[in-house]
Amino acid sequence: GQNIDQPTEMTATEGAIVQINCTYQTSGFNGLFWYQQHAGEAPTFLSYNVLDGLEEKGRFSSFLSRSKGYSYLLLKELQMKDSASYLCAVRNGYKLSFGAGTTVTVRA
Amino acid sequence: EAGVAQSPRYKIIEKRQSVAFWCNPISGHATLYWYQQILGQGPKLLIQFQNNGVVDDSQLPKDRFSAERLKGVDSTLKIQPAKLEDSAVYLCASSLEGDSYEQYFGPGTRLTVT
Repeated sequence: GQNIDQPTEMTATEGAIVQINCTYQTSGFNGLFWYQQHAGEAPTFLSYNVLDGLEEKGRFSSFLSRSKGYSYLLLKELQMKDSASYLCAVRNGYKLSFGAGTTVTVRA
Repeated sequence: EAGVAQSPRYKIIEKRQSVAFWCNPISGHATLYWYQQILGQGPKLLIQFQNNGVVDDSQLPKDRFSAERLKGVDSTLKIQPAKLEDSAVYLCASSLEGDSYEQYFGPGTRLTVT
């Protein structure tokens, strides 16, 4: 089975940093995705980690530890437009299993 | 490059009625996915097509849901008859190859069953 856990909600101030954690217990693992989903819109791809370590892409970074079944998404220099749901998804073969998502609210 | 297209965007039906959703993937994408996203949850895979063949439909409630992808391009997802618990957003996604390295999602169809 698949068990993917993320916090339900997080709130942060504009310009600050927020870290969204994701822990997983899955029957197989081929990689981990982070998607951003604004309310009423489709998920959009943010990052993909296959190997352990940190992947940096502009204001967003994603970290993976396969031995710990753990990942985080780091959002720096928060902007109001970053208010959205962030979905952690584990790839097992061809299938993606999603967590319930973390709703991030950025306040001025 | 045009994205994944879906229609309709919104649909309201009564329970026991039928409904169909349409998806046109990104040109050249062989793999097409249908997901169900219930409010407050992550997307759940219903069915995956590779060209016009089904790769995985293990989570599709086959007593009421059906899907087809004729000619390996467009796809339709049908619910007959609908239940209240089918209220959700139905997302279509496509990817270049079956290894789901990156899936591109359409805007979704929001279904409300009353």
